[in-house]
Amino acid sequence: EDQVTQSPEALRLQEGESSSLNCSYTVSGLRGLFWYRQDPGKGPEFLFTLYSAGEEKEKERLKATLTKKESFLHITAPKPEDSATYLCAVQDIRGSQGNLIFGKGTKLSVKP
Amino acid sequence: KAGVTQTPRYLIKTRGQQVTLSCSPISGHRSVSWYQQTPGQGLQFLFEYFSETQRNKGNFPGRFSGRQFSNSRSEMNVSTLELGDSALYLCASSLAGQGITEAFFGQGTRLTVV
Repeated sequence: EDQVTQSPEALRLQEGESSSLNCSYTVSGLRGLFWYRQDPGKGPEFLFTLYSAGEEKEKERLKATLTKKESFLHITAPKPEDSATYLCAVQDIRGSQGNLIFGKGTKLSVKP
Repeated sequence: KAGVTQTPRYLIKTRGQQVTLSCSPISGHRSVSWYQQTPGQGLQFLFEYFSETQRNKGNFPGRFSGRQFSNSRSEMNVSTLELGDSALYLCASSLAGQGITEAFFGQGTRLTVV
């Protein structure tokens, strides 16, 4: 059974304190891995797509990396506005493209 | 470019009633997927529609149904509402062409069943 596990469930950082979020996955075949950011009461906002081991993508203070079994979202020198829940999702090659399997997310709080 | 639009944003219904939620995808996107989000279960896939056909379905009871129109707009219906159906219902659209396509989400419809 396909599975996505995110850790930690919650993370509190001081402004400027860098850290990483983890997403481990089990799928028969990976079509793609996605990172989203979700603010309270809003829909998830797309951040990155990764589809092969060794791939890396960056956007401002965020950098996503992918291995054969997990992905990391590195946050460098975070600011309070980076506070949100970060969701990881995978597409299994057996499933249709619209079927994403989500982890339960990491709730990030960045204090000034 | 307009994003994914979901209406209404909030709904309060009574147990046993039925409800219809609407989703207008990004222009040019032909795939629409629906998800249920609850604090305990996170985001769970309900179903996907592509070119007016249901392409995939998650593990939800038959009370949950949907359809897609020729303009790619989609509706989701829940009949005989139960208290446990209270959730944020999210719609996502994607190009769904060859290769990997990103899904873009709407703001969701917050359904409360009392």
